Amino acid sequence: DSGVTQTPKHLITATGQRVTLRCSPRSGDLSVYWYQQSLDQGLQFLIQYYNGEERAKGNILERFSAQQFPDLHSELNLSSLELGDSALYFCASSVGPGKMNTEAFFGQGTRLTVV
Amino acid sequence: GESVGLHLPTLSVQEGDNSIINCAYSNSASDYFIWYKQESGKGPQFIIDIRSNMDKRQGQRVTVLLNKTVKHLSLQIAATQPGDSAVYFCAETGQGAQKLVFGQGTRLTINP
Repeated sequence: DSGVTQTPKHLITATGQRVTLRCSPRSGDLSVYWYQQSLDQGLQFLIQYYNGEERAKGNILERFSAQQFPDLHSELNLSSLELGDSALYFCASSVGPGKMNTEAFFGQGTRLTVV
Repeated sequence: GESVGLHLPTLSVQEGDNSIINCAYSNSASDYFIWYKQESGKGPQFIIDIRSNMDKRQGQRVTVLLNKTVKHLSLQIAATQPGDSAVYFCAETGQGAQKLVFGQGTRLTINP
């Protein structure tokens, strides 16, 4: 158990809908990262937050947004969903903004299926 | 641009044999490399890392080799066990370490 909690584990929704994925980082970690993984593809970096503020952005679609709340949990909002958005979405957390290394821990992921 | 790729998508080895998983990267500015293991239904799990000022690092049953001249990274797993079956990803990051760039992944299958 990495200590990073993601909910829900599975999500099935229809095209055009909006969903929210939730991540609770490890106790003491201030940074949260979101990644998308399609099938057996590599993980694509979406966005990073540190202590409530956006720190880095990857190839995140405009239909997607995220935020980190004062209690440090984070939510990834996906709207106007398309079939191609079906993927595993992972959250990772680390102590600081520049410590995406040994101190980073991944959650179990949320499997999103868009039908 | 940045890219981290893997030479082989699948690798099958006999239980007890050694495994070597390879990875090529293109960003010469990368200064930190990590191997992750991802088992079915789970998130990536850190295995071992290496900094760009090193060419070899050993862990428990695993060794990572870095060849900066040809931008090549490898993961060696000694005496593979059934529990080693997973997808292995290499990842790299540059200064500031704001994000990890992951490779495609290699699926390692251990044959009894």
